[in-house]
Amino acid sequence: EIVMTQSPATLSVSLGERATLSCRASQSVSSNLAWYQQKPGQAPRLLIYGASTRATGIPARFSGSGSGTEFTLTISSLQSEDFAVYYCQQYNNWPPLRTFGQGTKLEIK
Amino acid sequence: EVQLVESGGGLVQPGGSLRLSCAASGFTFSNYWMTWVRQAPGKGLEWVANIKQDGSEKYYVDSVKGRFTISRDNAKNSLYLQMNSLRAEDTAVYYCASRGGNLDNWGQGTLVTVSS
Repeated sequence: EIVMTQSPATLSVSLGERATLSCRASQSVSSNLAWYQQKPGQAPRLLIYGASTRATGIPARFSGSGSGTEFTLTISSLQSEDFAVYYCQQYNNWPPLRTFGQGTKLEIK
Repeated sequence: EVQLVESGGGLVQPGGSLRLSCAASGFTFSNYWMTWVRQAPGKGLEWVANIKQDGSEKYYVDSVKGRFTISRDNAKNSLYLQMNSLRAEDTAVYYCASRGGNLDNWGQGTLVTVSS
């Protein structure tokens, strides 16, 4: 099983500042990494796939980078609607047993 | 517009069974892998199972193998999750999602509570 580890568990950032979230895989997942945003009481929403490609309708302030085992989600100039929990997920392995990270809660400082 | 609508959740006793459904619309359902993901109260996301376009391949997280069965009916644009021998630790919101890799569309979820 590929284990995904996110850090930090909670990140406090001020409005307008930059947030950097990390995700590490226990073995290489190439670029087969997605990021999701989840707000309270809502389903997750796909933000980034292929490690760096924004999903449809996702603002340009969200960017993803990395490959192999180390990945980063960066949110430049935080807006109030960005405070949420973020999850990474790998989809590299075969058989297709997918795994999520434990999540990073992004809160207002 | 893509829509995924789950149903079938509820309260069930330990050892009981439940069948979840997910009605899909707005895309060619038969062209895509489909996935079930769950989220226990206050916890993170857990991938549960996925199924190939024609239903010929199915994969499960270890904790549900032998108890849960994923299936689909492409004629009805529907995805299912048959859950047997339910345990307290299966209590969660269950989401269906489209695709088997990155999950680009999600339903609103259906709550399953396993309790006596």
